[in-house]
Amino acid sequence: NAGVTQTPKFQVLKTGQSMTLQCAQDMNHEYMSWYRQDPGMGLRLIHYSVGAGITDQGEVPNGYNVSRSTTEDFPLRLLSAAPSQTSVYFCASSYTGGNQPQHFGDGTRLSIL
Amino acid sequence: DQQVKQNSPSLSVQEGRISILNCDYTNSMFDYFLWYKKYPAEGPTFLISISSIKDKNEDGRFTVFLNKSAKHLSLHIVPSQPGDSAVYFCAASANTGKLIFGQGTTLQVKP
Repeated sequence: NAGVTQTPKFQVLKTGQSMTLQCAQDMNHEYMSWYRQDPGMGLRLIHYSVGAGITDQGEVPNGYNVSRSTTEDFPLRLLSAAPSQTSVYFCASSYTGGNQPQHFGDGTRLSIL
Repeated sequence: DQQVKQNSPSLSVQEGRISILNCDYTNSMFDYFLWYKKYPAEGPTFLISISSIKDKNEDGRFTVFLNKSAKHLSLHIVPSQPGDSAVYFCAASANTGKLIFGQGTTLQVKP
């Protein structure tokens, strides 16, 4: 009964380093997405996927890459970390991309020095 | 341009009283609205939703009201309990799966 699992929970990077945030779900959900939460900004959509092999950009995609090779996994890549990417990152999933609740993981807290 | 706004950063109520959290939106294409609750160090958890074809949806102590003409929705919690203390986010969708979130309101319920 894992739901949406995000790893790692915490990470500190230096400017310019690369990193992949992992997200996995065991609910056979087609729709997966990545959000970042910043103080006073709510959650903002970075990238999303409506199924394996299909991804698209959200509100704040710059500096991030995604891929979706399987239904279960949706990793988020930072190619060259910048201090502005310091944030809490949440992965979410739902059965489809229509009007239905999304289930969230517990987040990855990322600090870029 | 903030399409979903929660203008009250915080709200404090007494245990047993009603909590009312408000949310305004600007995009008339939104047709589905949700409320999420978030505790520290955890992900948001879904609380209640409402479709634009309804003006009220109830689930136990939680009721969401939608006023489409005013582009306004509210979440009522009755009676409020100390365990309800959390950050509440409203979110909206235009049947795309993309959720647009408000900034959040921190609710404190005092015993």
